[in-house]
Amino acid sequence: AQKITQTQPGMFVQEKEAVTLDCTYDTSDPSYGLFWYKQPSSGEMIFLIYQGSYDQQNATEGRYSLNFQKARKSANLVISASQLGDSAMYFCAMREGIFSNQFYFGTGTSLTVIP
Amino acid sequence: EAQVTQNPRYLITVTGKKLTVTCSQNMNHEYMSWYRQDPGLGLRQIYYSMNVEVTDKGDVPEGYKVSRKEKRNFPLILESPSPNQTSLYFCASSFLANTGELFFGEGSRLTVL
Repeated sequence: AQKITQTQPGMFVQEKEAVTLDCTYDTSDPSYGLFWYKQPSSGEMIFLIYQGSYDQQNATEGRYSLNFQKARKSANLVISASQLGDSAMYFCAMREGIFSNQFYFGTGTSLTVIP
Repeated sequence: EAQVTQNPRYLITVTGKKLTVTCSQNMNHEYMSWYRQDPGLGLRQIYYSMNVEVTDKGDVPEGYKVSRKEKRNFPLILESPSPNQTSLYFCASSFLANTGELFFGEGSRLTVL
């Protein structure tokens, strides 16, 4: 079974609109961390946001927020007020267990922001 | 500047010719790991290390070796590269505690002919 599932290979959004990128995860470990990374066309991996399994509130970082629904095992990334520079590949990832240090990545969603 | 440095960034080699991709971090991170990125498959973990002399297999370790003799270095070794190891490789590091955010190197694009 896939540990991280991203079902949207490609997404389009109008500039200044909000967009949600889907991510579901699978783990039986009560302790885990969820991450989103951005990979622009230049190739580097940029950390965006983190959510811990015990965090009560959804994480937010500027225009990025993580919609964490623990019972559904989903960790969707919401980007508000999209900008042209948001066009990139986005990866959802999970760090399973406090000390296991196995990282699992999804297959990614390619986001294109339309002017 | 805090960074993870990989070398080489680009390499074209031939089947069977041993190669090493170096990785070094200057953030005193305990944890280091290697990933390969292939179209449609995302990033897959090859090996990881939680500290010096401690390494473990990830999801796709076949055909690769690693070593962790010093805290800052974590080289990836391809003893006998094959064309199916053509890929984009990333080294990453993090602290074990806190959020465990991974800091990535810039990537090494390897082509095996």
